[in-house]
Amino acid sequence: DAGVIQSPRHEVTEMGQEVTLRCKPISGHNSLFWYRQTMMRGLELLIYFNNNVPIDDSGMPEDRFSAKMPNASFSTLKIQPSEPRDSAVYFCASSLDRAKFFGPGTRLTVL
Amino acid sequence: GENVEQHPSTLSVQEGDSAVIKCTYSDSASNYFPWYKQELGKGPQLIIDIRSNVGEKKDQRIAVTLNKTAKHFSLHITETQPEDSAVYFCAASMRGAGSYQLTFGKGTKLSVIP
Repeated sequence: DAGVIQSPRHEVTEMGQEVTLRCKPISGHNSLFWYRQTMMRGLELLIYFNNNVPIDDSGMPEDRFSAKMPNASFSTLKIQPSEPRDSAVYFCASSLDRAKFFGPGTRLTVL
Repeated sequence: GENVEQHPSTLSVQEGDSAVIKCTYSDSASNYFPWYKQELGKGPQLIIDIRSNVGEKKDQRIAVTLNKTAKHFSLHITETQPEDSAVYFCAASMRGAGSYQLTFGKGTKLSVIP
């Protein structure tokens, strides 16, 4: 298996632009998680889906962030409009039971 | 909610020595405790995990111990090698709606000196 796939790996954008991060979970996994990692706050859960349904989005910072999972093999995290404080590494992870497997992450820089 | 404290934040050991990283958690309902290794530029990689009905688990040079009464768990790496250098995260998890949610510690940067 290729593991969790994320794209792009790096994204540099200007403040105010829309950013879309993409994730393909491991085939057969039924839960998908979006995390954000910063030096100050560590790894934070933003939102997770179970069987393509959003279960808990209490970690989403504000309405500028939205996430979708239209099918079992694809999810997006969108930031609109982006701000410099959104700069971080965003990870997608998937799981079937307890064990969670992370993707390589997307390093987002908002100028 | 759950709160996980991890110590130390940085750890340097000589190659061949042992390394120990400790974590405490606050919610007695947590019942699953994974450890992740994160190398520079990569995502966290699951290296070992333990469930609350087990006190200790070992996998080659890595072992994890759990004390449910004291609500703390530890990672032990023996015969450390330079490739063990990375940031290690502990986490505590309990069953939520539909899945298990992880709360992570802040991480320990381990440096193994050749």
